Amino acid sequence: QVQLQESGPGLVKPSQTLSLTCTVSGGSISSGSYYWSWIRQPAGKGLEWTGRIYTSGGTTYNPSLKSRVTMSVDTSKNQFSLKLSSVTAADTAVYYCARHNGYDDSSGWDAFDIWGRGTMVTVSS
Amino acid sequence: EIVLTQSPDFQSVTPKEKVTITCRASLSIGSSLHWYQQKADQSPKLLIRYASQSVSGVPSRFSGSGSGTDFTLTINSLEAEDAAAYYCHQSGSLPWTFGQGTKVEIK
Repeated sequence: QVQLQESGPGLVKPSQTLSLTCTVSGGSISSGSYYWSWIRQPAGKGLEWTGRIYTSGGTTYNPSLKSRVTMSVDTSKNQFSLKLSSVTAADTAVYYCARHNGYDDSSGWDAFDIWGRGTMVTVSS
Repeated sequence: EIVLTQSPDFQSVTPKEKVTITCRASLSIGSSLHWYQQKADQSPKLLIRYASQSVSGVPSRFSGSGSGTDFTLTINSLEAEDAAAYYCHQSGSLPWTFGQGTKVEIK
């Protein structure tokens, strides 16, 4: 069974770059037509989709973060990563990685069917 | 950006009651609407995909309906383990967005 695990620093200073990695286990990141996303959730608040990446390296970012976000994939390590630059306190959140199927002509884009446990990132000096 | 508005924000329900949560989209999204359950200190879990399609392993008391702009998640005969926040999510238009969530409390 495929599992996702986020990792990275739990504390980042303001104006610095947040860097997180999601490791895929129980299956190959390259198998099927899966896309890989990052979703974040500030404490006590709702969910915000940050963006997605395909194993070819193709990316789609949320315009609200587009100028600060970079995603990458390392198929040899079965990992994908998130970098968010110039962070502020507003970027403090639990960050989840998640998987979804690709686009289907009859159904559209699929739901997030597998999620990691999430990792808390605090932006503070 | 498509805004998803859920109602109610909070619901306190006794076991075995029926729960109905609605999600309204600011623009039509066809059936590209999905529902998740998030229990305290856990990651979200997929309940319903494409508005009404069941998900393997999810109890049959959870069902979804709707299309276009109006969607409903129904929990028939609520159980104590269903205490959680419930979120709708649209994948019909970029950027993908989520509803603000509905918290269901067990009386």
